[in-house]
Amino acid sequence: EDKVVQSPLSLVVHEGDTVTLNCSYEVTNFRSLLWYKQEKKAPTFLFMLTSSGIEKKSGRLSSILDKKELFSILNITATQTGDSAVYLCAVVRGGGNEKLTFGTGTRLTIIP
Amino acid sequence: GAVVSQHPSRVICKSGTSVKIECRSLDFQATTMFWYRQFPKQSLMLMATSNEGSKATYEQGVEKDKFLINHASLTLSTLTVTSAHPEDSSFYICSARDPGGAGGIETQYFGPGTRLLVL
Repeated sequence: EDKVVQSPLSLVVHEGDTVTLNCSYEVTNFRSLLWYKQEKKAPTFLFMLTSSGIEKKSGRLSSILDKKELFSILNITATQTGDSAVYLCAVVRGGGNEKLTFGTGTRLTIIP
Repeated sequence: GAVVSQHPSRVICKSGTSVKIECRSLDFQATTMFWYRQFPKQSLMLMATSNEGSKATYEQGVEKDKFLINHASLTLSTLTVTSAHPEDSSFYICSARDPGGAGGIETQYFGPGTRLLVL
């Protein structure tokens, strides 16, 4: 059974700090890993990663995948209160299924 | 691009009634849509994969006769919770893949969700 583990489960930091969120996985026939941000409603897409070592970047957010060690990290620099959310990691298995298996998420709280 | 809508956003119903939730891809065609359920402070659990023009594929433990899925067109999938009970109260979210989108074929875009409360 596919498994996605995120850490920490929750994190509280001050505005301006940098945070690193972790996602490790075990999946048969790995295809890709996705990061989502969930505030009060449904998740919004952040990044999709398929290749090791290639950093994806969007503003203050960046992410990288290590397919050898089976993990990914999501970095947020100069955090703002608007970054407060649950960050979800999901993996996609190949083979035509393309289902997402989600981790439990990391709840990030930014204190002004 | 890649906008997914859901309707209604919130519904309250009496036990024993049926509730239909619609999921639409607004600016792309989706041959496959997904239905998830999320309990408070928990992650998303896939319920079923909805395929346009064919039967849905349900995850283990999900009753197909209770959660009816219809994917009648390339932009619309519906989930009907039949004979709803209080334990069906949850946040239901749909998603769709946009093969032509910037995120690639695997990326799912989520609707805003439907909060169901069964009294």
